Amino acid sequence: SAVISQKPSRDICQRGTSLTIQCQVDSQVTMMFWYRQQPGQSLTLIATANQGSEATYESGFVIDKFPISRPNLTFSTLTVSNMSPEDSSIYLCSAHPIGGTDTQYFGPGTRLTVL
Amino acid sequence: AQKVTQAQTEISVVEKEDVTLDCVYETRDTTYYLFWYKQPPSGELVFLIRRNSFDEQNEISGRYSWNFQKSTSSFNFTITASQVVDSAVYFCALTLNTDKLIFGTGTRLQVFP
Repeated sequence: SAVISQKPSRDICQRGTSLTIQCQVDSQVTMMFWYRQQPGQSLTLIATANQGSEATYESGFVIDKFPISRPNLTFSTLTVSNMSPEDSSIYLCSAHPIGGTDTQYFGPGTRLTVL
Repeated sequence: AQKVTQAQTEISVVEKEDVTLDCVYETRDTTYYLFWYKQPPSGELVFLIRRNSFDEQNEISGRYSWNFQKSTSSFNFTITASQVVDSAVYFCALTLNTDKLIFGTGTRLQVFP
């Protein structure tokens, strides 16, 4: 398995500002994933982040709004830009451990509230 | 297209009751993987089980058991002798290539003492 941590665990932000969420894995992983969970809803994949290449975004999500970095095999960041109240969600990162069973393990999530 | 349906939005039981959470999936692919995750009130997503499409053997882990039936495209999850700590939202998920996880809408389980 993989142990994944996220920072911050929660934040309250003002409309129009940006927040960068960090995701750290305790071992090297191939792909890292960013999901959004809106209040009372299921999880939706935002993008897949591979080290050394541009992130791949799902339909409905764009790089300008959710820029992602993946500088090495254990770390990724997701920025939520120009925030609005509709961005209030839990943002979770996940990863496959290298040599593992292709199971995605998740971080604890970042609870974002936009006022 | 792939889809996961969890028709039960919320289930309430009293401690020690058995409870089954239903999951029905749709895919035309013959190779796929199914998962169950638990999301307690704290918000983290806890991995419970992974099953590939070629392994229909049912699995038991303590009080948890899973019934995978390809004939009905179902992957149901049973908790035996439920406990208050089992209270959480449970998600069933499907992936074809072990990348994108497609989640169901989740079932909120409340176990009352």
